[in-house]
Amino acid sequence: AQSVTQLGSHVSVSEGALVLLRCNYSSSVPPYLFWYVQYPNQGLQLLLKYTTGATLVKGINGFEAEFKKSETSFHLTKPSAHMSDAAEYFCAVSTNQAGTALIFGKGTTLSVSS
Amino acid sequence: KAGVTQTPRYLIKTRGQQVTLSCSPISGHRSVSWYQQTPGQGLQFLFEYFSETQRNKGNFPGRFSGRQFSNSRSEMNVSTLELGDSALYLCASSSQGQINEKLFFGSGTQLSVL
Repeated sequence: AQSVTQLGSHVSVSEGALVLLRCNYSSSVPPYLFWYVQYPNQGLQLLLKYTTGATLVKGINGFEAEFKKSETSFHLTKPSAHMSDAAEYFCAVSTNQAGTALIFGKGTTLSVSS
Repeated sequence: KAGVTQTPRYLIKTRGQQVTLSCSPISGHRSVSWYQQTPGQGLQFLFEYFSETQRNKGNFPGRFSGRQFSNSRSEMNVSTLELGDSALYLCASSSQGQINEKLFFGSGTQLSVL
């Protein structure tokens, strides 16, 4: 069965610092992996996704993630944090069913201080 | 293009009642999926509809049901409400319902059960 573990429910960084949000997955089939962001009182918005091909994936707002099969990881990074990056971030993995069902991690809240 | 619209935005119900939530997907999108978000359990997949047929179902009791209309609008119903059903219910749509597609989320319906 598929599962997702996000290490650290809360991460705090200073503005301009590196952002690193960790995600490990378990999947019995080649996974599709996603990072979504949720701002307060809003729905989720896709940051980036890995389906096939290049293992380093670039997304919106300067975020990127690297798929490492040997480590079953898909960590999200951004070189320089901005105040507007403060939000909750969710890693998700596809299920082995047809359709769009995703299994989400519990989320990581990112705080950015000036 | 208008985004995914969920109504109502807030609902307050009492135990034992039933509730119906509505979701209008992005125009042209054929897949609609529903997720329950709670602080304790995070985001959990409820079900997905594609071309008026339920394609996938998560691990929720039969009190949770849904349907999709010919215009792709979807409703979900929860009968015999329990306190634990208090949650943010998110609807997401995608164009073709493929697992590697981006999901577009609505802002959700916040259900409180008293």
